[in-house]
Amino acid sequence: IAGITQAPTSQILAAGRRMTLRCTQDMRHNAMYWYRQDLGLGLRLIHYSNTAGTTGKGEVPDGYSVSRANTDDFPLTLASAVPSQTSVYFCASSRTSGSYNEQFFGPGTRLTVL
Amino acid sequence: GQNIDQPTEMTATEGAIVQINCTYQTSGFNGLFWYQQHAGEAPTFLSYNVLDGLEEKGRFSSFLSRSKGYSYLLLKELQMKDSASYLCAVNDDYKLSFGAGTTVTVRA
Repeated sequence: IAGITQAPTSQILAAGRRMTLRCTQDMRHNAMYWYRQDLGLGLRLIHYSNTAGTTGKGEVPDGYSVSRANTDDFPLTLASAVPSQTSVYFCASSRTSGSYNEQFFGPGTRLTVL
Repeated sequence: GQNIDQPTEMTATEGAIVQINCTYQTSGFNGLFWYQQHAGEAPTFLSYNVLDGLEEKGRFSSFLSRSKGYSYLLLKELQMKDSASYLCAVNDDYKLSFGAGTTVTVRA
């Protein structure tokens, strides 16, 4: 089934641990994005990639890193998790990064950092 | 920076019409999106406006006025399944900036 998948679905993590959230799309979309969603704040962009091999910082990049080695995969890494990173994380992709960049979202990863 | 405002909550009766307003102040503008998000699920695309005017898609319509920095999403003939959050997002510098979302509750 074409679409975008994320793993894990949910995770409880001890503060200070390293964690990688996985995101894979099979739509051959050029652009991919990572958001966090917190109550009352809406979706905030963490990092993005307009095409394989390139990445950029979004609104809230601190404490997170990404890589885009190929078109399909866009993992998000928390090097040393902190409780403020407790959130729901959504990965998204769009065919292009231009004006009409309708984004398709994955099902999300619910992360709790204790 | 980006400033995108929409009401936090709205309640309406099944079969009625609800209008969700969105005002924005962004450094750039390359279009405005509306997404629907049911509780515990991912956002899904509803509409896109880049020129002034009304775009109609079945029971949903979206309006844009670029000079006023204003958009609205109109939901007609409300159904119970329309209970969800509605997210306004502006394409600024080819990245989306989202409002906090409006939770619409449809009552029988």
